[in-house]
Amino acid sequence: DTGVSQNPRHKITKRGQNVTFRCDPISEHNRLYWYRQTLGQGPEFLTYFQNEAQLEKSRLLSDRFSAERPKGSFSTLEIQRTEQGDSAMYLCASSSQGNSPLHFGNGTRLTVT
Amino acid sequence: ELKVEQNPLFLSMQEGKNYTIYCNYSTTSDRLYWYRQDPGKSLESLFVLLSNGAVKQEGRLMASLDTKARLSTLHITAAVHDLSATYFCAVGPPGGSNYKLTFGKGTLLTVNP
Repeated sequence: DTGVSQNPRHKITKRGQNVTFRCDPISEHNRLYWYRQTLGQGPEFLTYFQNEAQLEKSRLLSDRFSAERPKGSFSTLEIQRTEQGDSAMYLCASSSQGNSPLHFGNGTRLTVT
Repeated sequence: ELKVEQNPLFLSMQEGKNYTIYCNYSTTSDRLYWYRQDPGKSLESLFVLLSNGAVKQEGRLMASLDTKARLSTLHITAAVHDLSATYFCAVGPPGGSNYKLTFGKGTLLTVNP
């Protein structure tokens, strides 16, 4: 169990640019989640995959956001035309079936200038 | 819409003292999770509570769940400095799935010598 891995750890970008983050889940986990966390708040749900199928997207996820999980392995989260309000920590988590807890990665901190 | 409230949001306590963090939620659920987050780090799973009356203990921390009152507590016994962190509760939606957790804002615990 090497844990959930996220890259990059930090990303600084100018408003209007596109960014892409990667998440490698724990290998035997078939569920993968993206959450967003801002300072002083708890994580907010963005989207969820079971294997390669994206089963739910939050209303927080505007049309500028897209997530993929090809072949049910790693996942990418892309934000197009970034805005300053997108600045946050983007957390990826994975879990196995049932009610097992989510295992979170260390996150990607995005700063939009 | 599921709402999760934690209190207190800030807790400063002395080593050796006992205290309780409360987590209230607004709609029916029988799945509640407690996480710990150290500064600049990701979230670490502490407890999974899956039924009314569930109680889990690990070291100086004990968590309980009362689904009828929609309340979970995290009790700290004889606090030590190493427990300083932010503690989050997270509630799963009713219906048997853990994928869309709603987190509280977190309780920042500082244990002073």
